[in-house]
Amino acid sequence: SAVISQKPSRDICQRGTSLTIQCQVDSQVTMMFWYRQQPGQSLTLIATANQGSEATYESGFVIDKFPISRPNLTFSTLTVSNMSPEDSSIYLCSVAVGNTIYFGEGSWLTVV
Amino acid sequence: QKEVEQNSGPLSVPEGAIASLNCTYSDRGSQSFFWYRQYSGKSPELIMSIYSNGDKEDGRFTAQLNKASQYVSLLIRDSQPSDSATYLCAVNGDYGGSQGNLIFGKGTKLSVKP
Repeated sequence: SAVISQKPSRDICQRGTSLTIQCQVDSQVTMMFWYRQQPGQSLTLIATANQGSEATYESGFVIDKFPISRPNLTFSTLTVSNMSPEDSSIYLCSVAVGNTIYFGEGSWLTVV
Repeated sequence: QKEVEQNSGPLSVPEGAIASLNCTYSDRGSQSFFWYRQYSGKSPELIMSIYSNGDKEDGRFTAQLNKASQYVSLLIRDSQPSDSATYLCAVNGDYGGSQGNLIFGKGTKLSVKP
């Protein structure tokens, strides 16, 4: 199994600012994944973060808006840049261990 | 565009009844299928995974997969009020082997009435 810790768990952010979300896993994993869940919507994959290489972004998501770091095999950060109210979402860190995908508790962001 | 479709509900069942949750997916090449439970204000929790046609049982939960019909279902027997949550169907979207690249449906909200 995997225990995933995310910080912050919740935040209210001002429009135009940026916020960095941290994700810490209790075991080494090759890939970490960042998802977004907008209000009333399902989860959408933002990007896959590999240690030692640039993140791979899904269609509709760009590095300038969601820069990701992956400095080692247990840690990753996602920054939400120049936030607007449309960025109000839950941001979830995820890892795959074997055939099981584990999610962190999520970071609930509200942009005002 | 790969899609996963679920009835948004709400689905209301009495306590002790069987709850049946359904999901269809668009990509015939999908190989891995998952059901997650998400309580309000919480992150998704994996409850079942299924990879081959047929039924897979785990306690009160049974997942059913029919690849020919591109259909996945989740049955919850002896439903309890604590089962009240949103159930998310997810399909592996990356056939290169990345298990974490999942395509989610919008979820079905289940309400179990005492």
